Amino acid sequence: QKEVEQNSGPLSVPEGAIASLNCTYSDRVSQSFFWYRQYSGKSPELIMSIYSNGDKEDGRFTAQLNKASQYVSLLIRDSQPSDSATYLCAPEDSNSGYALNFGKGTSLLVTP
Amino acid sequence: GAVVSQHPSRVICKSGTSVKIECRSLDFQATTMFWYRQFPKKSLMLMATSNEGSKATYEQGVEKDKFLINHASLTLSTLTVTSAHPEDSSFYICSARVSSGVSYNEQFFGPGTRLTVL
Repeated sequence: QKEVEQNSGPLSVPEGAIASLNCTYSDRVSQSFFWYRQYSGKSPELIMSIYSNGDKEDGRFTAQLNKASQYVSLLIRDSQPSDSATYLCAPEDSNSGYALNFGKGTSLLVTP
Repeated sequence: GAVVSQHPSRVICKSGTSVKIECRSLDFQATTMFWYRQFPKKSLMLMATSNEGSKATYEQGVEKDKFLINHASLTLSTLTVTSAHPEDSSFYICSARVSSGVSYNEQFFGPGTRLTVL
């Protein structure tokens, strides 16, 4: 069983603060990692992809990957109320047709 | 990001009928597409992996004769729910994995199809 663990939250942060979302995974073979955002009643939207250890920045988002620790995180700077959603961590399973192993997601609430 | 469309977005049908859902990658080619199901307030559940020109691979517990998947081209996969029953009512979402280019390896989701079986 390939586990992806995320704190379900809700994680509440004030507007303008940094939101930190964490994820651990059990499959050591995973090489590709994705963060998706899902609003209630909608489908997931890709925010970030990361393949190498270290940080990757895109606008207000920074993904961090540490394969040795089997840990991936997402930082959201200057959080906005529109960032309130469920964030899904998804390592790719290269041994299973490249399907994504989704965590249960972390619910983020950004308060004005 | 790349765009994936799904049609229809919403369907209501009577028990026993079949429903076909189309998933299209609009601006990229996708050798592999995936079909998910999501119940309210639950996690995405992978139903099957669809590869262009070959038979789909179904996850354990998913009936392949009930959920027919066809991936006839690099931009189109279809899911047919045969003899639908109320318990099949759910949010069905497809995703497509980019085969080449700048977004290679990334997966983009369609907007989903909300199926209600009466």
